[in-house]
Amino acid sequence: EVQLVESGGGLVQPGRSLRLSCAASGFTFDDYAMHWVRQAPGKGLEWVSGISWNSGSIGYADSVKGRFTISRDNAKNSLYLQMNSLRAEDTALYYCAKGVRELLRPPFFDYWGQGTLVTVSS
Amino acid sequence: EIVLTQSPGTLSLSPGERATLSCRASQSVSSSYLAWYQQKPGQAPRLLIYGASSRATGIPDRFSGSGSGTDFTLTISRLEPEDFAVYYCQQYGSSPPVTFGPGTKVDIK
Repeated sequence: EVQLVESGGGLVQPGRSLRLSCAASGFTFDDYAMHWVRQAPGKGLEWVSGISWNSGSIGYADSVKGRFTISRDNAKNSLYLQMNSLRAEDTALYYCAKGVRELLRPPFFDYWGQGTLVTVSS
Repeated sequence: EIVLTQSPGTLSLSPGERATLSCRASQSVSSSYLAWYQQKPGQAPRLLIYGASSRATGIPDRFSGSGSGTDFTLTISRLEPEDFAVYYCQQYGSSPPVTFGPGTKVDIK
């Protein structure tokens, strides 16, 4: 059974940093691209970032480019999102999502974690 | 960036009825790279349809997708109680970035 378990969310002040983690199990992690998708409270879905199986291809939404860094450790079956210079508008539930093949494209998502909540507020 | 518009915003129907949800793109979605997701309150999204018309693993055949270019449709042939949820379309033809529609809520009439 595929499982994606996010952690690392919490309350953080504007301008500060936070690192999210996603622990994957139930599939061969290094066979697939992985992604982060977020959902602001009561709002829709926004793709944040994606990374190919070997970290050779990475993409970011314009809203986070230059502030967020995605990475993965295939030996640990883990995905990460380093979030710097956080803003109030980054407040959201952050989902880890599995891609459907090893490459970044096509980026649609067949399994999702339950999310970790990030709240940016002073 | 391709902008997706979903209509209606809310669809009020009874169990057993047919639901037709629309997703329109601001420009053509290449190779029909369009997906649909279902999200229930407090849950993560679930993939229903990809490639505009292919059902994901384990999705009942009452769910079907159609369309191409800029106009896409998700049809639920007969609504079951567990189908009342929010549905999002997502294009991945010109990506990254991918974009999602704002969602259609299907609620019980």
